[in-house]
Amino acid sequence: DQQVKQNSPSLSVQEGRISILNCDYTNSMFDYFLWYKKYPAEGPTFLISISSIKDKNEDGRFTVFLNKSAKHLSLHIVPSQPGDSAVYFCAASDAGNNRKLIWGLGTSLAVNP
Amino acid sequence: EPEVTQTPSHQVTQMGQEVILRCVPISNHLYFYWYRQILGQKVEFLVSFYNNEISEKSEIFDDQFSVERPDGSNFTLKIRSTKLEDSAMYFCASRRLGTDTQYFGPGTRLTVL
Repeated sequence: DQQVKQNSPSLSVQEGRISILNCDYTNSMFDYFLWYKKYPAEGPTFLISISSIKDKNEDGRFTVFLNKSAKHLSLHIVPSQPGDSAVYFCAASDAGNNRKLIWGLGTSLAVNP
Repeated sequence: EPEVTQTPSHQVTQMGQEVILRCVPISNHLYFYWYRQILGQKVEFLVSFYNNEISEKSEIFDDQFSVERPDGSNFTLKIRSTKLEDSAMYFCASRRLGTDTQYFGPGTRLTVL
């Protein structure tokens, strides 16, 4: 079951530069997408989300872009900081009442000073 | 800021034993969830709970699993007879009515020997 895919297991970026994390999905019933950040031995922390009726959502240094026709979303972090080093998960939910989340495998981001 | 809490942080048990994992969701949230993540694998949905009953469950959530909201604050996951393959991180999440974002606890690491 590969409904949500994060094809890059890891990404390394220099401090101050842009980090771009990608996510693809296959289920056209998904209508809400979320990015979570996770440090080792902690739970996922909500970062930013986007509804399928939008193509961009911005919150400070974090912007999520959604391309519905390509079934692709991306998370941009600008500028990247060493504290951003963590695993980033893309998750999606469909329009049902329960809103269960389907997850990608995650991308480990390392921001080097 | 309100948080989801989980206890214990780590539980070690023998195969065949019963375990109860505990969660305290955010107080004004009405949807509750359990997910698990086996080492190296994706986060997987187990069950959602609303209005004092299971609203959806996955194939993983078989007769060995049960959930309960014994009082106004706790939400528990019980595994009746643990198997080796139940070893995983178990995450509890909650969501406020009318919103789409789930907030996660720090997780319980379950080790079945």
